[in-house]
Amino acid sequence: VQLVESGGGVVQPGGSLRLSCAASGFSFTTSGMHWVRQAPGKGLEWVTFIRYDGTKKYYPDSVKGRFTISRDTSKNTLYLQMNSLRAEDTAVYYCAKDHPSGDRDGFDIWGQGTMVTVSS
Amino acid sequence: QSALTQEASVSGTVGQKVTLSCTGNSNNIGSYAVGWYQQISHGVPKTVMFGNSPPSGIPDRFSGSKSGTTASLTISGLQPEDEADYYCSTWDNSLSAVVFGGGTKLTVL
Repeated sequence: VQLVESGGGVVQPGGSLRLSCAASGFSFTTSGMHWVRQAPGKGLEWVTFIRYDGTKKYYPDSVKGRFTISRDTSKNTLYLQMNSLRAEDTAVYYCAKDHPSGDRDGFDIWGQGTMVTVSS
Repeated sequence: QSALTQEASVSGTVGQKVTLSCTGNSNNIGSYAVGWYQQISHGVPKTVMFGNSPPSGIPDRFSGSKSGTTASLTISGLQPEDEADYYCSTWDNSLSAVVFGGGTKLTVL
């Protein structure tokens, strides 16, 4: 069971970046998925969730309208499109599988994370 | 300010029992299962408890419980390798969002 993120890097304020998360070892098509981030020296912050079938997506106010979560079941891959990036979006971004015993309320498997730095 | 409230720091000696708490309200902890996540030295978070069920591979010294709007993670028989930051989280139906606690730094003396 594995989640591998990619796509992080350095981007200027106002720029865009797309993160990917490749899933393997479990049924991606029946699993809800999350993105969670952690700014340097700070705690964990939830970024977004997508239902297993892609029909429901949730975002906190801090990223609503700027970030978009999506999934490609043919590639077993989760995405996070980040637009209008701000300095406060600088963080390690983790993808995480929704806990099978819950519904959007917990995490099961975590990826290793990818760093996003927003700076001029 | 986090939606869930955790102790900033807790300490204990090897072999001691320690309990970390996570307090919310009826919209979050009162209605949903609570997850607990261990992060050692700002590495990758690891799930150590969901509700009162630990994932496979988690030592049985870890246990979880909930009473009303407060969840707890108890470590019975503290080990040096348990030193880490611990975060709780759950769904909040008034925010339609996952909420986290601010994290508890557990020090093993």
